[in-house]
Parts: sequence; structure tokens; C-alpha cells
Amino acid sequence: DAKTTQPTSMDCAEGRAANLPCNHSTISGNEYVYWYRQIHSQGPQYIIHGLKNNETNEMASLIITEDRKSSTLILPHATLRDTAVYYCIVSRVTSNTGKLIFGQGTTLQVKP
Amino acid sequence: GAGVSQSPSNKVTEKGKDVELRCDPISGHTALYWYRQSLGQGLEFLIYFQGNSAPDKSGLPSDRFSAERTGGSVSTLTIQRTQQEDSAVYLCASSGTGGGYGGNQPQHFGDGTRLSIL
Repeated sequence: DAKTTQPTSMDCAEGRAANLPCNHSTISGNEYVYWYRQIHSQGPQYIIHGLKNNETNEMASLIITEDRKSSTLILPHATLRDTAVYYCIVSRVTSNTGKLIFGQGTTLQVKP
Repeated sequence: GAGVSQSPSNKVTEKGKDVELRCDPISGHTALYWYRQSLGQGLEFLIYFQGNSAPDKSGLPSDRFSAERTGGSVSTLTIQRTQQEDSAVYLCASSGTGGGYGGNQPQHFGDGTRLSIL
């Protein structure tokens, strides 16, 4: 599975959009981009995933560049409860290789 | 609906003892995964069950670790002769089966079992 590169930490003002970047320059055509987050003392929470097209759900938007070598997770109106470690993961997730490889992620601090 | 449930939420045991950790996946999910997270570290894959296929055990750190999944539902992770380095949060996840090329069902995690070896 392709490796990802994320900034170690980011700050965001409450109510503003949080834009979390991720580089995955070695991504293959059959690999998806997944975003999870982990709030202290909880298990990782699935946020969103995509293959080629931009995606949006009730939590966030995922913007994938045309060459698929990078992506951005957008939290449109960050709240204090969005403070967490955000993981960008690239994975094929076929029927026989289901493991996710987590990096160190980006620690997002939402400030009042 | 109910999410992934893990028990116990906390477990403290003495070095050398055996421990069993339980995972109840989301109903209907055919895939089940175990990971562990040591203090200040990222998540480390341990083992993966998919339906009736042979499990992917490639992440198990030693032969003291084993897991089984009975009836395609509940899973138990067993650690024999525990060592202090086994102290970690053990996380379970489950997912549905994606169709077609690539499979794209996300994994949903429980809140883990915090294991402390004295």
C-alpha cells in the first residue's frame, strides 16, 4: 500500500474551515484514500473515503487532485469537538488484504 | 444501530498470565480486524478475518498471540504468557463486503480494550 505524508500538527479557529492535506504520490490506480480521526481515548472514527472523484458527506469533504497524488480533507465549520488526530490512509482493501496502515497522522487543535 | 463492542474496556493482569479480549462486530459485517496501539504510537495491524477465508495473521507479533472468530461473528484475541511490552490498547474493527474491483467498505472501530501488564 502507498505511503502517505501529513503535517504533524495544525491549528484551526473554531467556526472556520479546517483543511488537512495529505500527499500520496505513489498511489496506485486501484487504491482508495481513506480518512479517519481518533479522539483521545476512543477508537478511530471513519470520516470519508474516495477513489477519484471529490466526495462529501455530513462530516466532511474530500478533495482529490486530478493526478491523485494528494488530497485534502475539509471540515467546513470546525468545532472544539473536532480536535483529534486525523489519519490519511491509502489502501486497496481487496478481499484478502484488508489491513489499514496507519501513520502518525495530523494532530488538529481547534481553538476558541 | 449498535457499533463494534469490545470487552473488557480495561484489563490489568500480572506478567505471565493469559488474557482473552472479546470483540462483537457490527451485525452483518463479514470482515473483522484486530489492531493494537501502544502508548504514543500509531495503530499496528494484527490479524484480519474475512468470511470463511483463511485469516491474514501477518501482523501477529509472536506465537503468544492468537485469535479466532466463531460462527463468523464474535472474535476473541488471546495473549498467552503476557509480557510488559504487550501493554497497549487493543482495537477491533469490522466492515461489510465491498463489491467489485477494490472493495471499498470502510472499517468501523470499537473503543478498544486497554491492557496493562504489571
